[in-house]
This record gives sequence, C-alpha cells and structure tokens, in this order.
Amino acid sequence: GIQVEQSPPDLILQEGANSTLRCNFSDSVNNLQWFHQNPWGQLINLFYIPSGTKQNGRLSATTVATERYSLLYISSSQTTDSGVYFCAVETGGFKTIFGAGTRLFVKA
Amino acid sequence: GAGVSQSPSNKVTEKGKDVELRCDPISGHTALYWYRQSLGQGLEFLIYFQGNSAPDKSGLPSDRFSAERTGGSVSTLTIQRTQQEDSAVYLCASSTSGTVREQYFGPGTRLTVT
Repeated sequence: GIQVEQSPPDLILQEGANSTLRCNFSDSVNNLQWFHQNPWGQLINLFYIPSGTKQNGRLSATTVATERYSLLYISSSQTTDSGVYFCAVETGGFKTIFGAGTRLFVKA
Repeated sequence: GAGVSQSPSNKVTEKGKDVELRCDPISGHTALYWYRQSLGQGLEFLIYFQGNSAPDKSGLPSDRFSAERTGGSVSTLTIQRTQQEDSAVYLCASSTSGTVREQYFGPGTRLTVT
C-alpha cells in the first residue's frame, strides 16, 4: 500500500522562527489534508490541498502532486503552534492513510 | 453548526468485555470514518462508510471489531472480548462525498482495557 513519510519527526523552535514540514507519499493520491493535533488531542483541519498552494494567516501549504510531496510552512511560530502535525492522503476510494506526524515544540 | 460528536469520552473496561463506541457525524455528511490512535502514535485507519455503499472494512485489525451505521447517520464501533492491546483513542471523522472530501474529526473516545 501507499507509504506516507513526514519529516522531520521532531522539531523544536524558538518563538518567532519559521519552519517547513514535509510530507512525501509513494503513489498518486486523490486528496491530501494537513492537520494539527493540539496538546489535548483534538485534530484541527489546516488545509485541504490535493494540489497547488494555499495560505491561511501564518500558515501556508504547497502540494506538488506530480512529484508526490507536500510542504507545510509555519512562519513567526507561536507557542500555541505546538503539537503534532499530520499529513493524510486519500488513496483509492475513501481510504485515508496518515503519516507518523511531526512533533513541534515552540519555546517562549 | 454542530461538529462531530463521540461518546463516551472515556471508557474503562475489563479484559474480555464488549464495548460500544458511538459517533454522530456532521449533519449532511454522507461519509464517516473510524481511526485508532495508540499512545504517541499516528492514526490507523479502521473503516469508512460512504452513503449506501458497502463499507470498506480493510483496516479492522481482527474479527473482534465491527461497525455499523444506521440510517446513514450515527455509527457504532463495537469491540468484542476486549484485549489490553485495544487500549487507544478511537477517533471518528465525517466528510461530504463530493470531489472535495475534507474530513472533520470528533474529540475521540479514550478506551482503557484493564
């Protein structure tokens, strides 16, 4: 089946720093989403981005479907950005595979 | 509008007992998904329902796990003869069934098998 790899696995930032998270996938996908899981476990939708570029405030994402990767950019990080960031891809039908996540800690 | 809701939020059960976990999707969402997240791990796909089509059960880890969706809305995930390795957070999500299938998650049910 499809493999979804996220990097880096862990990231520590000083508040105000920028970062790029990467998601590689091994086969073509129908859809791709980025999620933030906050420290209380709630999964929050960030982007639905099967292709192209989107921006929402300090966050932006780019998916290059032909090269099988997606990037999530976080600018001017804040302590509230801490948590785990997941990439999820939809393969045939509605089945969805999640990457292992990037655990982010932003220091004040 | 209301988001995805799940109940109970926490469940402690003894090994060997059966448990039922409930998911109420967002109104109008015809697709519903169940996932399992073990401590510190990513999300593991279990099953999805889409409209009136037969569910994709390919992610269910054993025949002790089953799920149903009644009336195209509420779903119940049942685990029979629970084992300690079933301890995890069980997450439910729903989406529309159109081309854009953005999934929205509930808060999860934390299951502990003692």
